[in-house]
Amino acid sequence: GENVEQHPSTLSVQEGDSAVIKCTYSDSASNYFPWYKQELGKGPQLIIDIRSNVGEKKDQRIAVTLNKTAKHFSLHITETQPEDSAVYFCAARRSERGFAGGGNKLTFGTGTQLKVEL
Amino acid sequence: DTAVSQTPKYLVTQMGNDKSIKCEQNLGHDTMYWYKQDSKKFLKIMFSYNNKELIINETVPNRFSPKSPDKAHLNLHINSLELGDSAVYFCASSQEAPPRADTQYFGPGTRLTVL
Repeated sequence: GENVEQHPSTLSVQEGDSAVIKCTYSDSASNYFPWYKQELGKGPQLIIDIRSNVGEKKDQRIAVTLNKTAKHFSLHITETQPEDSAVYFCAARRSERGFAGGGNKLTFGTGTQLKVEL
Repeated sequence: DTAVSQTPKYLVTQMGNDKSIKCEQNLGHDTMYWYKQDSKKFLKIMFSYNNKELIINETVPNRFSPKSPDKAHLNLHINSLELGDSAVYFCASSQEAPPRADTQYFGPGTRLTVL
């Protein structure tokens, strides 16, 4: 099955700096890679996702890059703000029509606690 | 206008008891999930239902029994609760039929504490 590793487990940055979180995956058939933000006491919220047919996607201060050959993808947050402080999760899945072989199962990384300090 | 809702938000109970957690989504999605998040924040899928049919069962003890009365609801019943069942349980939903599949939307979670 799929295995997703995520680094670092904790990340502390100064307000206004950039933050980068990296993930690797094992299943070369995975083709969908979402990133979730989980604030204290809340459920994970999707912040950005990327599919394997593109190498980069950007949404304001957030960007995600994907290297299919190396099987790794990264989240980049620029101009960090205190409200960016949260736990971030990467995930990977193999999207298929139908559900044979667990194709719609989302495998999560272990999470990164991001702290943005004033 | 809540998308995925769960009840209760907190559940404190004694070992050996039986308890249920309810989940409802108003997004019109056809697939629902239960995840368990342990004390180290690790998120792991437990079950998935598509159109009321079980499609994923991740070797969860049979003390856990999901029930989907309709596409919008997926409840989780746990028998003979153990200390190790203490965790936060998240419900999620997604639309698996094309053209847009994959994105899973999570509920606010239910924190279960077994004493």
